[in-house]
This record gives sequence, structure tokens and C-alpha cells, in this order.
Amino acid sequence: DAGVIQSPRHEVTEMGQEVTLRCKPISGHDYLFWYRQTMMRGLELLIYFNNNVPIDDSGMPEDRFSAKMPNASFSTLKIQPSEPRDSAVYFCASSFSGGWGNEQFFGPGTRLTVL
Amino acid sequence: GQQVMQIPQYQHVQEGEDFTTYCNSSTTLSNIQWYKQRPGGHPVFLIQLVKSGEVKKQKRLTFQFGEAKKNSSLHITATQTTDVGTYFCAGPYSGAGSYQLTFGKGTKLSVIP
Repeated sequence: DAGVIQSPRHEVTEMGQEVTLRCKPISGHDYLFWYRQTMMRGLELLIYFNNNVPIDDSGMPEDRFSAKMPNASFSTLKIQPSEPRDSAVYFCASSFSGGWGNEQFFGPGTRLTVL
Repeated sequence: GQQVMQIPQYQHVQEGEDFTTYCNSSTTLSNIQWYKQRPGGHPVFLIQLVKSGEVKKQKRLTFQFGEAKKNSSLHITATQTTDVGTYFCAGPYSGAGSYQLTFGKGTKLSVIP
């Protein structure tokens, strides 16, 4: 099993540019989560999907952030326009039936640097 | 909303010493999960505790869930350099039709060889 796949692993961009992060969850998992990790705020849930439907996006910082899950095997997190304060490691995680009751499997993360 | 507090934030130990991290929730938890993140890596699930007063062991790691299901601890006996990393606890939160894990800030463990 390949596990959760994220791309790119590293992204360096300039302020104002659009950034798209990609995630492929583990096959058969029906929950997908996007997290952001920083030293100051720790691991924060941004949004999660159940069966490709967004359930809770209350963690999305502002309108510059958007996430989609067009099918069960692919999700994107987009930041437009990006700002230096968006610099962080973004993790995608997936789980089977819940996540709160079952373990979450994290991808390797995308380290985003906005200059 | 639910808060999960972890202490200490950092811990430096000599190899062979014991290590403990504590997790406290503002609300009663149905279960608690523990994850480990190696430097430069991603969180990896270690264990889930469900029952009040539950104790589980994984080799040198001992996990406890409090009687009131509001606190938990992870104890490592005789630390090794391979134990280096950040240990997170996470509790489920439900509200307004949403279910999610709330992670503590983690305890970063450094082991001095």
C-alpha cells in the first residue's frame, strides 16, 4: 500500500502567487483531512471531507483558501493569493469511517514557503 | 470548543532516562489517540485508548487513560535515541454535525546519547 500521497513535497513561491497542493488518500478511505502545521499554532485542521463532500471548513483561515475533492482518490488545497504567513507544512490525512474513532493516516506533507 | 493541553512542551533527557508526557482535555473524551512525529516527518498513529482507566503497553511505551476520561499520559521507559520526536495526543470533538480530532501542541522529546 502506497499510503497517502502528497505533491509537491516542497513549494517555494512568491507572495501573491497561486499555490495548489495535491493529495491522494489511501484507497477505500472515506474521510480526508487537510491540516496545517506551524511552530506557533501546532497542528490545525483546515477542512475535512466525507465521501468527497466537504463537512467542516471552519478551520480554513480565510477566503484565500479553498479545497476540493472531485473524486474519492484526489483532493486539492488551493491558496490564492498566497501570503508569507501561509508558510507552513500542510498535511493531508485519510481514515476509514470517522477518524475520530479510527486512526488517521498522514501523508508526508508539503512544506510551503511564501517569500 | 474542545481544548487539549499537553505538557511539557519540550523535554530533554539523557539516554536511558524515563520520559512522561501528559495530556488534559477540557471535556470528557470518548477516546484518545497518540501520535508520534519524527523530525522532518509526519504524524504516525501509535495507539487509541477507549476505556476509563485503560492502560496499554507497547514495548517500552505505556499509555494511560484517566478514570474521568479527561486526561492521558504516555510514559517511555529507558529512552533511546530512536524515541526522538514530538508526541501528540488527540481527542475527538463533535459539534454541529462535525466530528474531528483536536490535537494537542505536542511534547518534543530530545534524547542525549
